[in-house]
Amino acid sequence: GAVVSQHPSWVICKSGTSVKIECRSLDFQATTMFWYRQFPKQSLMLMATSNEGSKATYEQGVEKDKFLINHASLTLSTLTVTSAHPEDSSFYICSAREGRTSGETQYFGPGTRLLVL
Amino acid sequence: DAKTTQPPSMDCAEGRAANLPCNHSTISGNEYVYWYRQIHSQGPQYIIHGLKNNETNEMASLIITEDRKSSTLILPHATLRDTAVYYCIVRNTGGKLIFGQGTELSVKP
Repeated sequence: GAVVSQHPSWVICKSGTSVKIECRSLDFQATTMFWYRQFPKQSLMLMATSNEGSKATYEQGVEKDKFLINHASLTLSTLTVTSAHPEDSSFYICSAREGRTSGETQYFGPGTRLLVL
Repeated sequence: DAKTTQPPSMDCAEGRAANLPCNHSTISGNEYVYWYRQIHSQGPQYIIHGLKNNETNEMASLIITEDRKSSTLILPHATLRDTAVYYCIVRNTGGKLIFGQGTELSVKP
C-alpha cells in the first residue's frame, strides 16, 4: 500500500508554545489529507479535511485558529497546534488519499504523540 | 451517513480463522465498506474494502451480504501479530472515514 509519514513521531513541549506536525505522502500525490486526534482508550476523531491549495474544512467543535492546517503541496500537509495546553496532549494522526471520489483508499501515517507540560 | 455496529471484543485462537462481523443496515448504494486495523500506538492500517462483491487480498477476505446490510472480515490464519482493534467503516458521501469503536481482537496462543 501507499506510504504516509509523519514527523516528529513524538514531541514534548511547554504550555503556551506552538507545535508543528508534518505529514507526507511518500509515493503518491495526495489530493486530500485528513487530520485525526485520538485520546487514550478512545477511537480516532476526525479534526479536519484539507484539499491541496484550499482552506481546510474543520469538523464541528474543532477550533480552526487553534489547529492551523496547511496543505500547500500534493505531498505535504502540516498541522500546527498553537498555544498548546495540557488538554491538547493527544495522539495526532494524518491520513492521505490520492483522489476525491468515495472509492479511493485512504492511508494513514504512524501518528505523532504530543505531550504538553 | 451510514453507521456501523461491531462487537466490542472477540477472541481467536492462533492459527484459526478470525471472523469479524459488522452491521451497516443503513448503507447507501454508492457507499463502500472499508476495514482498517490499529495496533496499539500505531496509525490505522488499511486492510480491504468492497462495494458489492466479495473481495480477497493477501491480508484478508471481505464477505458482503447480498443486501449489503452486513459484512464479515475474515483473517484466514490468525497470528499473534493480528491482535488489534479492527474498524469497519462505511464511507459517507463526503468521502470522510468516520471511526466507531471497532472490535478489539485478541489472538491467543
